Amino acid sequence: GAGVSQSPSNKVTEKGKDVELRCDPISGHTALYWYRQSLGQGLEFLIYFQGNSAPDKSGLPSDRFSAERTGGSVSTLTIQRTQQEDSAVYLCASSLLSGAGGGDTQYFGPGTRLTVL
Amino acid sequence: AQSVTQPDIHITVSEGASLELRCNYSYGATPYLFWYVQSPGQGLQLLLKYFSGDTLVQGIKGFEAEFKRSQSSFNLRKPSVHWSDAAEYFCAPGGGADGLTFGKGTHLIIQP
Repeated sequence: GAGVSQSPSNKVTEKGKDVELRCDPISGHTALYWYRQSLGQGLEFLIYFQGNSAPDKSGLPSDRFSAERTGGSVSTLTIQRTQQEDSAVYLCASSLLSGAGGGDTQYFGPGTRLTVL
Repeated sequence: AQSVTQPDIHITVSEGASLELRCNYSYGATPYLFWYVQSPGQGLQLLLKYFSGDTLVQGIKGFEAEFKRSQSSFNLRKPSVHWSDAAEYFCAPGGGADGLTFGKGTHLIIQP
């Protein structure tokens, strides 16, 4: 079946502009995760959605970052007033069950490479 | 605080030689443990995972990992590497609401 898809694959924007990154999880997966991969920081966990529940936003790097998940499926990560340090690959993952205890396999999408000029 | 250490940034091995990639973690309790591989231009792919039970876990592509509670380690091994194994390898404890905590990764280079 289809895996996790993300769009766009590449995004180049100017400093100060807003960007939206989209993630389509595997059909039927209730848990969805966002991560960021950068040279300086490695792979960082950003936010987790379980179904339609309100997420814990404490992992987001600043208040310029927000995320939502509509209908328990597609998710959008929005970065407002982008800065050069936001340049990174943004990865989305989904898993089938995922109670808060974890342990489910997370399946990753190909990522969106964001470049802020 | 939860943390994971992959002490080797780069490892070079000859094709056909054995491989061991190290991973140490620091958690309040034994976490779920995962190894992922990222090939150039590819997404992250799960190699194997440990939940409980047998401490030696078998994965895809001939990889295995051994959980050692006393050493807080979850090292990845392969008896004979192939050129196609050249990639970045990440150890990742955790999961669930706290997400995965990824190590910095080990870059594996295969010499012919």
